[in-house]
Amino acid sequence: GENVEQHPSTLSVQEGDSAVIKCTYSDSASNYFPWYKQELGKGPQLIIDIRSNVGEKKDQRIAVTLNKTAKHFSLHITETQPEDSAVYFCAASIHRGSYIPTFGRGTSLIVHP
Amino acid sequence: DTGVSQNPRHKITKRGQNVTFRCDPISEHNRLYWYRQTLGQGPEFLTYFQNEAQLEKSRLLSDRFSAERPKGSFSTLEIQRTEQGDSAMYLCASSPHSGGDYNEQFFGPGTRLTVL
Repeated sequence: GENVEQHPSTLSVQEGDSAVIKCTYSDSASNYFPWYKQELGKGPQLIIDIRSNVGEKKDQRIAVTLNKTAKHFSLHITETQPEDSAVYFCAASIHRGSYIPTFGRGTSLIVHP
Repeated sequence: DTGVSQNPRHKITKRGQNVTFRCDPISEHNRLYWYRQTLGQGPEFLTYFQNEAQLEKSRLLSDRFSAERPKGSFSTLEIQRTEQGDSAMYLCASSPHSGGDYNEQFFGPGTRLTVL
């Protein structure tokens, strides 16, 4: 089955700095890569996603890149703010009737004011 | 609040007892998913329903686990003869379904189970 590795496990930045979280996946058939943000006491929330036919996608301060050949994808957050502090999960999935994501272990992002 | 709701939010039980959790999806979402999340890990897929039909089950879903969605609306997840290893956050998500496109899964806040 699919295996998703995520690094780093903890990331501490100053407000205004950029943050980068990297993931690798094992199954070359994976074709959909969502990113989730999970705040304390809440379920994960989708923040951005990318499909395998696209190399990069941007939404305001958040961008994702995908390298299918190397089987890795990254989340970039620019101009970080304290409210960006949360646990971020990458995921990879194959469409097989429904998208069932395999999640990474998460990155705890701490943005210091 | 029209999001996914889960009850109870917390459950403490003794080893060997049975527990049942409930998930109410967003109205008119015909797909419902159950995940398990342990500390320091991402969510792990357990099972999903389309309407009342259970379409897929993970090998993580042992014989002690059973999920139902009898009327295609709310769902229940029951764990029989709980073990300490069952301690985790149980997350429910729902999504609409339209053709072959990915439809965003909306997660509930989870039920945290502690087995003593």
